[in-house]
Amino acid sequence: DGGITQSPKYLFRKEGQNVTLSCEQNLNHDAMYWYRQDPGQGLRLIYYSQIVNDFQKGDIAEGYSVSREKKESFPLTVTSAQKNPTAFYLCASSPNLGTSITGELFFGEGSRLTVL
Amino acid sequence: DQQVKQNSPSLSVQEGRISILNCDYTNSMFDYFLWYKKYPAEGPTFLISISSIKDKNEDGRFTVFLNKSAKHLSLHIVPSQPGDSAVYFCAASDNNDMRFGAGTRLTVKP
Repeated sequence: DGGITQSPKYLFRKEGQNVTLSCEQNLNHDAMYWYRQDPGQGLRLIYYSQIVNDFQKGDIAEGYSVSREKKESFPLTVTSAQKNPTAFYLCASSPNLGTSITGELFFGEGSRLTVL
Repeated sequence: DQQVKQNSPSLSVQEGRISILNCDYTNSMFDYFLWYKKYPAEGPTFLISISSIKDKNEDGRFTVFLNKSAKHLSLHIVPSQPGDSAVYFCAASDNNDMRFGAGTRLTVKP
């Protein structure tokens, strides 16, 4: 079945450690996104990529890094520089409609990161 | 700076009645609006959308209304069913990105 797969679903990390969240899609979508969800707040955009080997910072990119070496994959690394990394992370993809993001996003099931 | 706001964190309605979820936005450049539904431990799924050139879009039990002058949109669910119980996110997009509200948790009681 076509969809977006995020792993791991739950992850615990000690302070000072980097951790990488995986996101894979087989929908043949050009665009991929990473959002962060915190209680009482909307989904906030961390990074997005509209084409392989290119990505753009979102509103809260500090302390995060991404790569887009393959169309299907958009991993997110939460670095030790991220001050408050405990959150629910959502990956999404969409067909690229020119340069505008007007279509729906297809989301993965999310990864919950807890820093101990 | 929250450009999309859902001021009601929760809403409870009786089965069969209407559910009305509200959303306000501040950026007049938004030209496309969407509602997503999210069950626990799952990612949000697209529900319904509306372009800024329209004021209403209907899909079965779900209708979205857009009032551009008030920068307000609402989602109506009629009749509400227990399976509609979920968190609903409002989203708005322009040419650059998509912004989300904080979500409203809808509970439909049998």
